[in-house]
Amino acid sequence: AQTVTQSQPEMSVQEAETVTLSCTYDTSESDYYLFWYKQPPSRQMILVIRQEAYKQQNATENRFSVNFQKAAKSFSLKISDSQLGDAAMYFCAYRSWIGSNYKLTFGKGTLLTVNP
Amino acid sequence: DGGITQSPKYLFRKEGQNVTLSCEQNLNHDAMYWYRQDPGQGLRLIYYSQIVNDFQKGDIAEGYSVSREKKESFPLTVTSAQKNPTAFYLCASRPSGGAGDTGELFFGEGSRLTVL
Repeated sequence: AQTVTQSQPEMSVQEAETVTLSCTYDTSESDYYLFWYKQPPSRQMILVIRQEAYKQQNATENRFSVNFQKAAKSFSLKISDSQLGDAAMYFCAYRSWIGSNYKLTFGKGTLLTVNP
Repeated sequence: DGGITQSPKYLFRKEGQNVTLSCEQNLNHDAMYWYRQDPGQGLRLIYYSQIVNDFQKGDIAEGYSVSREKKESFPLTVTSAQKNPTAFYLCASRPSGGAGDTGELFFGEGSRLTVL
């Protein structure tokens, strides 16, 4: 079974600085998707960024970018120019097959604090 | 606006009572999911449904039941057999099939169940 590991339960960053959240996963598949979701205090899950496994180029969405290392099964999220609104729980997720359907397997999350 | 509506947001239940959480979506998505979130545990899959009148157990289905009588609706019943029901419950959906299907899930705002 696929597993997703986020080794940092909590992280903190100063406003305007850069922070990197780590994620590793275990899989025997060659084609899959990886995601980072953000859960602010409102608890609404929001997609931050996605990465397709067979695309070597790292995905970027404004201040958010990933470092995808397929061979190492690593998928870290870099947040540049951190803002107070970035404070949230961040979940890494892996898309896998379940029967003829997809499911997302989530890591346990990293709580990010942004200090003014 | 299209989205996923979960109700109620907060629910209190006495031990031994069944309770049903509502999930309605107007995104015309085929697949729907229920996840449970506990502190430090990430999100774990309870049930999922690919089409109307069909649903499958996820990783932690014991003590839960679902139905899928309409495409838009996927209610979750937490039964008295669930030993530790206090948690945050998230409903999600996704369009299934087609080249654009990355497996990304769209989430509702969640329901917080507390057993007294």
